[in-house]
Amino acid sequence: AQRVTQPEKLLSVFKGAPVELKCNYSYSGSPELFWYVQYSRQRLQLLLRHISRESIKGFTADLNKGETSFHLKKPFAQEEDSAMYYCALEPQKLVFGQGTRLTINP
Amino acid sequence: GAVVSQHPSRVICKSGTSVKIECRSLDFQATTMFWYRQFPKQSLMLMATSNEGSKATYEQGVEKDKFLINHASLTLSTLTVTSAHPEDSSFYICSASLQRGNTGELFFGEGSRLTVL
Repeated sequence: AQRVTQPEKLLSVFKGAPVELKCNYSYSGSPELFWYVQYSRQRLQLLLRHISRESIKGFTADLNKGETSFHLKKPFAQEEDSAMYYCALEPQKLVFGQGTRLTINP
Repeated sequence: GAVVSQHPSRVICKSGTSVKIECRSLDFQATTMFWYRQFPKQSLMLMATSNEGSKATYEQGVEKDKFLINHASLTLSTLTVTSAHPEDSSFYICSASLQRGNTGELFFGEGSRLTVL
């Protein structure tokens, strides 16, 4: 069965500090992985997907098949990064992790 | 980007009544739409996959007769919560894909908060 685990429900870092949101998945096939973000009072939206290998708003995520992980990273956090982040796995339908609420302190 | 709109954003109803929530793709045709349910401080749980012109595919544990889904056109899917009870109170979110089959990127609606008294 496919599963996505985000071990941290809450993560708080200071502005300018590096941030890493953890995501581990369980899937026997070849996964497609995504990070979705929900800013305060806004709808859920795609942040990035592993196949595009791009950096969005300074965030990157690398798929590590050996560790079955897809951690989201940013070297210098900004206050506007405060949001709810969901890791998602897609075999035929999106399976979401529990989400991590990231708070950037000034 | 593609826009998905849900209506109503909030609805309060009495126990035993039925409530319909609409999900529209405003600037694209969505052959596939998804309905999620989100409890407070919890993740999105997929309820069903709605394909235009065919029956919805429900996830395990979701009652088909309770949550009626209709996807009659390429821009509209509706979720009807029948004979609603307080335990049905939740945040319902729809999303749409540009592609049939593999979802690729999903575009989400604003969500609809249902409160059943």
